[in-house]
Amino acid sequence: QSALTQPASVSGSPGQSITMTCTGTNNDVGGLNIVSWCQQHPGKAPKLILFGVSERPSGISYRFSGSKSGNTASLTISGLQPEDEADYYCLSYSYGNILVVGGGTKLTVL
Amino acid sequence: QVQVVESGGGVVQPGRTLRLSCAASGFTFRDYGFHWVRQAPGKGLEWLTLISYNGGEKYYADSVKGRFTISRDNSENTVFLQFHSLRTEDTAVYYCARALGGSGTYLWAPVSWGQGTLVTVSS
Repeated sequence: QSALTQPASVSGSPGQSITMTCTGTNNDVGGLNIVSWCQQHPGKAPKLILFGVSERPSGISYRFSGSKSGNTASLTISGLQPEDEADYYCLSYSYGNILVVGGGTKLTVL
Repeated sequence: QVQVVESGGGVVQPGRTLRLSCAASGFTFRDYGFHWVRQAPGKGLEWLTLISYNGGEKYYADSVKGRFTISRDNSENTVFLQFHSLRTEDTAVYYCARALGGSGTYLWAPVSWGQGTLVTVSS
């Protein structure tokens, strides 16, 4: 059982926007703005696409955006493209100095 | 550019020890923290441990505390993960990831990932 709760799957059509959530507690997601998101294609290494809730590392498309409300963080992908089909994981600092990870959401581009 | 390369994986018997290495280049190694994260076959990511820029801070997931040890050699630009007593459930791909920074809040974002090394624990 993962510390952070993510929906198992989401789907959308090319060009659409989708939002996936990551729910934790006051001790992690809700505590500080230290939430990251990773994208992982099958057989590949994870790739960080957001940190600090909504900051994008260099080279990451503006189509990826993040937000947080209370104990839930969200990842929105706008202008969905076929190459966005992947697994997405949220990661959050948790009090007690550990990093907690969600179970992952599989994004299907229809 | 930033490169992170793990090595040292393989097939090992339960109860044995193993040490993974993570060689990094393309940046000032001593300024950054590093994470180890694993992924069991067909499963999600599991964070294991983190070391700060100078090794002064080390943090572990409860699941590996006391069994795994993280360390670094800033003269060799390498981070290590030492397994003390492997179990079959430790079978996974082990990823090393450079943090966004060396300390503080930037330590907790694993920004640059290697391709991983597979550890298979089997008798």
